[in-house]
Amino acid sequence: SQTIHQWPATLVQPVGSPLSLECTVEGTSNPNLYWYRQAAGRGLQLLFYSVGIGQISSEVPQNLSASRPQDRQFILSSKKLLLSDSGFYLCAWSAKLAKGNEQFFGPGTRLTVL
Amino acid sequence: DAKTTQPTSMDCAEGRAANLPCNHSTISGNEYVYWYRQIHSQGPQYIIHGLKNNETNEMASLIITEDRKSSTLILPHATLRDTAVYYCIVRLNTGFQKLVFGTGTRLLVSP
Repeated sequence: SQTIHQWPATLVQPVGSPLSLECTVEGTSNPNLYWYRQAAGRGLQLLFYSVGIGQISSEVPQNLSASRPQDRQFILSSKKLLLSDSGFYLCAWSAKLAKGNEQFFGPGTRLTVL
Repeated sequence: DAKTTQPTSMDCAEGRAANLPCNHSTISGNEYVYWYRQIHSQGPQYIIHGLKNNETNEMASLIITEDRKSSTLILPHATLRDTAVYYCIVRLNTGFQKLVFGTGTRLLVSP
């Protein structure tokens, strides 16, 4: 069966510090990968998606970047965090040939920027 | 993606069926209805989806009206662990699609 991991689970960082969040998927190959952010009490906002290694698309201009160095690894980064980067970061995957195209989410990383 | 309308909150007694409605009057012919839920402080969880036929899986049933302008998610025997925010989404069934969650319905299952 497929599983998706994210770490760390929680993170408290000062403004201006760098960020690296990691997501890995097991039990599938060549998935579509997604990074979402959920601000407190708000809906999901798609940040990045990737259809393959080294292929990253950005949905909104922001202070963050993403990379996909391996097929099942997706990394979210920032060189200098802003207060507005606080939120609940969710990684998700979907199978390219899945009939239903449903997305499966990881447990999330709660980031607080102080 | 078509817009959906859901009640803000609902209550349900443990062991009873929870019926969660969703209106999607502007849905197009090739858009599917998806349901996800999010338990507090966890990632969203896929529940079920359908096009025009009723669907059932181990988690829930999905009833879509004949005109496809509304649907109902049914949790046949709600448990305390079903307390969550439930999101109804309509979207195309293509290879890549971002998920756009509205405010959803906050379901509270009580003993």
